Amino acid sequence: SQQGEEDPQALSIQEGENATMNCSYKTSINNLQWYRQNSGRGLVHLILIRSNEREKHSGRLRVTLDTSKKSSSLLITASRAADTASYFCATVPLTGNQFYFGTGTSLTVIP
Amino acid sequence: KAGVTQTPRYLIKTRGQQVTLSCSPISGHRSVSWYQQTPGQGLQFLFEYFSETQRNKGNFPGRFSGRQFSNSRSEMNVSTLELGDSALYLCASSLTTSGGTEAFFGQGTRLTVV
Repeated sequence: SQQGEEDPQALSIQEGENATMNCSYKTSINNLQWYRQNSGRGLVHLILIRSNEREKHSGRLRVTLDTSKKSSSLLITASRAADTASYFCATVPLTGNQFYFGTGTSLTVIP
Repeated sequence: KAGVTQTPRYLIKTRGQQVTLSCSPISGHRSVSWYQQTPGQGLQFLFEYFSETQRNKGNFPGRFSGRQFSNSRSEMNVSTLELGDSALYLCASSLTTSGGTEAFFGQGTRLTVV
C-alpha cells in the first residue's frame, strides 16, 4: 500500500496554541498536499508543496517537506475552535493524478 | 463559481442491489477522481477519468465501475452491493490530469448497505 501515515492520530489543544502534525510516505512524489475534513464531509484543500520546495506558508499554516526522509509536517499557529477537524496529507506520485492519503490526524481545539 | 456537486448525499441500499452515484465537477475541470472513505481503510483511490477516458484505477474489484460524459460529469456504479461497501464516496475534480494541481472535493455520498 502506498498510503502514508500521520501522527499523532489525535491531538487536543487549547485555543491559541500551535498544532503540529506529521506525515510520512513511501514513494517518490510530484507534490504533497494537505486537506482538512470537517466531520465526515468533503475535503478542503489547504496547501500544496512541490517536491523541490522545502517550506511553504499560507496564512496561519506552515508546511515543511523533507524528501530525503519522505516526511512532511503541518503547523497551524494560534489555533481557533474552528480549526477542529481531521487533517490529511495526500501525496501525488511522479506520474498520474491519484492521491495517496495518509491516515489523518484528528485535531480538537478547546475554546 | 459552483463547486463540485455530488448526488445523492445519502443512500441506503440492500445487499445485492446496485447503485449509481453522480458527480458534477467544477466548470472547466476535465479530470474527475473518485475515492472511498471508510473508518477502517481510510481514503482510497477508486479511479480517475479525464476527457471521458479512464486514466487510472485503484485496487478495487470489478464491481466498481465508472464513466465520464462529454460535459465532464461522472458517474460511478457499484454492482452486487456488499455490507463492506458502506462508506463515504468522494468525488474530486481538477483542472488537469498531471497531478500538479489541487483537487476540489464534493461533499460526498454516504452509502449505507443493509
